[in-house]
Amino acid sequence: KAGVTQTPRYLIKTRGQQVTLSCSPISGHRSVSWYQQTPGQGLQFLFEYFSETQRNKGNFPGRFSGRQFSNSRSEMNVSTLELGDSALYLCASSLVRAGGSYNEQFFGPGTRLTVL
Amino acid sequence: GDSVTQMEGPVTLSEEAFLTINCTYTATGYPSLFWYVQYPGEGLQLLLKATKADDKGSNKGFEATYRKETTSFHLEKGSVQVSDSAVYFCALLYGGATNKLIFGTGTLLAVQP
Repeated sequence: KAGVTQTPRYLIKTRGQQVTLSCSPISGHRSVSWYQQTPGQGLQFLFEYFSETQRNKGNFPGRFSGRQFSNSRSEMNVSTLELGDSALYLCASSLVRAGGSYNEQFFGPGTRLTVL
Repeated sequence: GDSVTQMEGPVTLSEEAFLTINCTYTATGYPSLFWYVQYPGEGLQLLLKATKADDKGSNKGFEATYRKETTSFHLEKGSVQVSDSAVYFCALLYGGATNKLIFGTGTLLAVQP
C-alpha cells in the first residue's frame, strides 16, 4: 500500500507570495492532519480535515488555510508569506474507527518551504 | 494544557550500548502514546504505540511501557546500532473527536561505531 505523498518536496518563495501544498493520504484514510516543523517551535498542529470538513484547528493565523477533496486528498495554503513561515510542512493521514475515534497517524516526507 | 516533556539531547552512545530516552506527559484523561523517529531529510515514521495503561509497545528492538502512575513512556533499546541515529519524538493523542498529536521537543540520538 502506498504511503502518504506530498508535493512538492521543496519550494522557494519570496515574502508576500502565497503557496499551496498538496497531500495524498494512504488509500482508505479519510482523516488528514497538517503540522509545521521548525527548529524553534518544534512540531505544531495546524489543522485536521475529515470528510471535507475542518474538524480541528491549531493556533495559527488566518493566513494558513486548508481544504479536503472528496477523494480525501488535501491542500494547505499560506497567503502573504512571511520569513517565519519557512519550515517543513508535514501531512499525516489516519483511519477513523466506526465510533469516530482515530487510529495512529502516518506521515508523509514533508514539503520544505523556504521564504526569502 | 496537555504537554509532553522529553529529555534534552543530543544523546551520544557507542554501538551496542543500552538506550533510554525519557518521556513524561501531562494530560487529563487517558491519551494514546507514541514514539516517532525522524531520519535526516525525511518525515516522521511511527516507531511504536501504546493505547492504555500498562501496554507495552515494541518494534525493531525498541520498547516503551505506558506508565499511568508516573505519567511516563520511556523509550528503550538493548543494543543500539549506527543506523538508529535519528531524532526521536514522543507524542500523545487524545481519543474521541480530536485527531491532534502533541509532540515533545525531540531527542537527537547519535550512535558511534
